[in-house]
Order: sequence, then structure tokens, then C-alpha cells
Amino acid sequence: GQNIDQPTEMTATEGAIVQINCTYQTSGFNGLFWYQQHAGEAPTFLSYNVLDGLEEKGRFSSFLSRSKGYSYLLLKELQMKDSASYLCAVVDSNYQLIWGAGTKLIIKP
Amino acid sequence: TAGITQAPTSQILAAGRSMTLRCTQDMRHNAMYWYRQDLGLGLRLIHYSNTAGTTGKGEVPDGYSVSRANTDDFPLTLASAVPSQTSVYFCASSDSPSSNTGELFFGEGSRLTVL
Repeated sequence: GQNIDQPTEMTATEGAIVQINCTYQTSGFNGLFWYQQHAGEAPTFLSYNVLDGLEEKGRFSSFLSRSKGYSYLLLKELQMKDSASYLCAVVDSNYQLIWGAGTKLIIKP
Repeated sequence: TAGITQAPTSQILAAGRSMTLRCTQDMRHNAMYWYRQDLGLGLRLIHYSNTAGTTGKGEVPDGYSVSRANTDDFPLTLASAVPSQTSVYFCASSDSPSSNTGELFFGEGSRLTVL
């Protein structure tokens, strides 16, 4: 079967750095998304990786290793507003989007 | 622009009743989707439409139907609601139909409780 694994919950301190991991086992690979979802709100797009390596967008970076079936989202200089769930999703060989259950990130002062 | 608008934002429904969740987008995206989100589970695709006039079944289509009469609107109907359909429903759109490699734009969600 197809599977996306993310930690259920993580806690970090304001101003620090946190890495949220995502591992996947899917039938093929055509890209990986990260979305942010604040409680009670809609998911919003953060990043899309299709090639190996690190992509940086301000305080957020996303890394992909296709050979390891692994990605991470790196959040730097954490702010209280970064408290949210982070959703990993993979596009498989049939171009179906497979979603992980999300990682709830709690930021403490 | 408004993006994607869903209505209602919240609804309590008696089991056995019918309900239509409305979704309208103003981005002229070809692809539209309905997802449900339940605690501890990833988003699950109910139905999708790659272009006006066509629809397809997703991962969990049973008990739901959709129509796509035009580009902007994509309503989701529950013909006879059951308690297991209690969930948060998200409508989404994309300008990359079929490939699923484009960014999804989500509505604010409709929280449905079936008693």
C-alpha cells in the first residue's frame, strides 16, 4: 500500500529551528508538497519539490531525497504564528495525490 | 479576489437528510476537488473534476455525488447523510488538472455534523 509517515506532534521554542520529517512509500513519485494549516483554517501551499536537494524560501526550507523516500521541512527563527499543522503530500506514478496525516507543531515562548 | 468560497461554514444535520455543500471559485481553474479531513487521517479525496462537464471518483466517493455544470461551481451532495459523514469538508481548485503537480487552493472548509 501507499504510505506517508509524519510525526503526529512536535514542540519547539520561539526563535529556535525545527525540522519536520516526512517519509513515503508510494507507487512511483512525481513530486512532494508541503502545506501549512492553522487550526480551523484551510491548508495553504508552502513548497513543491520534484528534484533532490534543498529549496529555501525565507525562513522555510524543504529538502527531498528521492532515493531515501524522505523529505523534511525546516523552519528557522520560529515565531508563535508558526504554530500550525504541516501536511506532507506525494504525487504518485498515477498522478494521484497521497496525503500524510500532518504534524501539529506547537511553539512555546 | 475571493478565491474559493464554501457554504455553509458549519451545519448540523439529522441522519437520513440530504445536504448540498456549495463551492465556487473565481480563479478560472479547470480542476476542482472535494476532500474530507478527519482527525488523525490525511486529507481524503471524495470526488474531483478536471474540467467543466466531467467528474471522477476519488478515494472515498460512496454516499456523495458531485456535478460540474460550469467552471466556477462544484457542489457536493449527500443524498442521505449518515453519522460517519461527520467531518470537515474542503473544496479545492488547481490550474494543473490530471497531473496533480500544481498548487491547490483551498476553501475555508465546511464543518458538518450528522446526528
